[in-house]
Amino acid sequence: DIQLTQSPSFLSTSIGDRVTITCRASQGISSDLAWYQQKPGKAPKLLIYYASTLQSGVPSRFSGSGSGTEFTLTISSLQPGDFATYFCQQLNYYPYTFGQGTKLEIK
Amino acid sequence: QLQVQESGPRLVKPSETLSLICTASGGSIRSSIYYWGWIRQSPEKGLEWIGNLYYGGTTYYNPSLKSRLAMSVDSSKNQFSLQLRSVTAADTAVYYCARQGGEQGDIDAFDLWGQGTLVTVSS
Repeated sequence: DIQLTQSPSFLSTSIGDRVTITCRASQGISSDLAWYQQKPGKAPKLLIYYASTLQSGVPSRFSGSGSGTEFTLTISSLQPGDFATYFCQQLNYYPYTFGQGTKLEIK
Repeated sequence: QLQVQESGPRLVKPSETLSLICTASGGSIRSSIYYWGWIRQSPEKGLEWIGNLYYGGTTYYNPSLKSRLAMSVDSSKNQFSLQLRSVTAADTAVYYCARQGGEQGDIDAFDLWGQGTLVTVSS
């Protein structure tokens, strides 16, 4: 199985900060990577697919980049609603796998 | 607007079968351009992909669950289902159904999710 390792696992940040989350794959997955946001008690919400394509309706302060084994999710200026947990997922190989998550908290 | 929702027993006894249904509303699950999937989430294992199925019946299962797993579709009821046999406490999780592919089949990710249902395995 492809292992996805996110860093950091936890980040204490402030409104207006620029945040970057990294997702590293144990082997190359081309650009078949998605990013999700999850709030407590809710289902994950798709933010980005194909590593860098913004899902319809997602604010442009979210962006993704990378290919192969290293990927990043960047939030350019944190808003109050962005404090949540973020997950990456690879869809290049079965079984699909997820990263362990990065939780953003208010400093 | 297509929506999906999970339903089924919230409590299952060890060694029995966990059965869940995902019902679509506001649209049809019949499509040749996207897949339907099941994903579960627990504090111990995080998010875990269980498997996908295509409305025509083709399935893709996580090898870690394959020996206990069955997924099927009932297009007449606009539903698809999950059965996981011989459950243990390790199968306790929130179970989600979700669509992979987007309305046009051009989104390689799970773009539409149910609200999730917590299933507890306990005697």
